[in-house]
Amino acid sequence: NAGVTQTPKFRVLKTGQSMTLLCAQDMNHEYMYWYRQDPGMGLRLIHYSVGEGTTAKGEVPDGYNVSRLKKQNFLLGLESAAPSQTSVYFCASSYWTGDQPQHFGDGTRLSIL
Amino acid sequence: DAKTTQPPSMDCAEGRAANLPCNHSTISGNEYVYWYRQIHSQGPQYIIHGLKNNETNEMASLIITEDRKSSTLILPHATLRDTAVYYCIVRPGGNTGNQFYFGTGTSLTVIP
Repeated sequence: NAGVTQTPKFRVLKTGQSMTLLCAQDMNHEYMYWYRQDPGMGLRLIHYSVGEGTTAKGEVPDGYNVSRLKKQNFLLGLESAAPSQTSVYFCASSYWTGDQPQHFGDGTRLSIL
Repeated sequence: DAKTTQPPSMDCAEGRAANLPCNHSTISGNEYVYWYRQIHSQGPQYIIHGLKNNETNEMASLIITEDRKSSTLILPHATLRDTAVYYCIVRPGGNTGNQFYFGTGTSLTVIP
């Protein structure tokens, strides 16, 4: 079972470049999330979606945009990358019922020079 | 969301039970206790969760005190592959779409 798949796994960008991170899940989950994790810190929520066509801001949304055109995919975009966005990005998904756990992908390691 | 307090690090001998404590003294009645772990900066892995009753699955057991102000995750026979950072999280039920607030967790080292 694939679960939550993130692409790419690694990427190096120059300041000012743009890119899109892709998250795909095959569990028919309604909710999807994007987190970032910086060294020595816990995960912080960037944006999330409660269904196809919907998005909402999380704890640290500035500098990022997201789209959920299909239920199984959740895209995270960086329009103009900054060194402060160097991080490991994790995508997660869950069912809509509130006591269900989130399932995470293996992350995308992004370095911005 | 209620905050949690965990020891920063713990050691456990291979083959012994690992007991990881978590304090959540401000937990509300509708908040669940979840445990995740993260190995070598991989994606967090769900372990177990519960509301009031003790829970057990193939990975671990979760013991929640009667007043729900603390809990313990038990790995019955720790192996070297259980070395990881373990996160205790409380989160309300319902269709809130709320995030999971990961703190700094407990770094568990299983010693041969």
